[in-house]
Amino acid sequence: QKEVEQDPGPLSVPEGAIVSLNCTYSNSAFQYFMWYRQYSRKGPELLMYTYSSGNKEDGRFTAQVDKSSKYISLFIRDSQPSDSATYLCAMSEYGNKLVFGAGTILRVKS
Amino acid sequence: SQTIHQWPATLVQPVGSPLSLECTVEGTSNPNLYWYRQAAGRGLQLLFYSVGIGQISSEVPQNLSASRPQDRQFILSSKKLLLSDSGFYLCAWSRPGAYNEQFFGPGTRLTVL
Repeated sequence: QKEVEQDPGPLSVPEGAIVSLNCTYSNSAFQYFMWYRQYSRKGPELLMYTYSSGNKEDGRFTAQVDKSSKYISLFIRDSQPSDSATYLCAMSEYGNKLVFGAGTILRVKS
Repeated sequence: SQTIHQWPATLVQPVGSPLSLECTVEGTSNPNLYWYRQAAGRGLQLLFYSVGIGQISSEVPQNLSASRPQDRQFILSSKKLLLSDSGFYLCAWSRPGAYNEQFFGPGTRLTVL
């Protein structure tokens, strides 16, 4: 079993839809949770950074962490074609390296 | 603001040839620096990280090496490339003492033929 599991997609949605992207993990010591957006042939861009459980909102993006279920989510409201990218989750223990999911390909159709 | 540069952007090299990829960071001092390789559908694999000049930690034993000759410069090298070295190489940085919030460069796409 991989430490971090992420559905590779692709996930195709119409413009304006609410998108839900998810990751599950097995290491209960993970405390820091990140979401990165990566456009084709570009480096990943940090979107959201959260510590421990709870929600964090930034514009159209909401990150949710449920440590009891070892499950994290990224919600995108009012999705746009420019949101089409690969979304990577990443997480780590305190003072330790990041462990990445394989990424979910998102396609938002206009 | 901080900026991270990588070059070259793309590289095609024959098997057995040497490799040198460079990464530089601007706008911060004493950053932690990282080299990752990304294979299609497999996420990012940490290759090396550095917390200071001349300090290199290797995560995966392989055909590559890294060096940090200056505070904000990180170099990935190989003496003889293998076909399996093909991939997308990413450099990243984080603030001193902070390993979690990492910021990535634009990447180098390496094809070994």
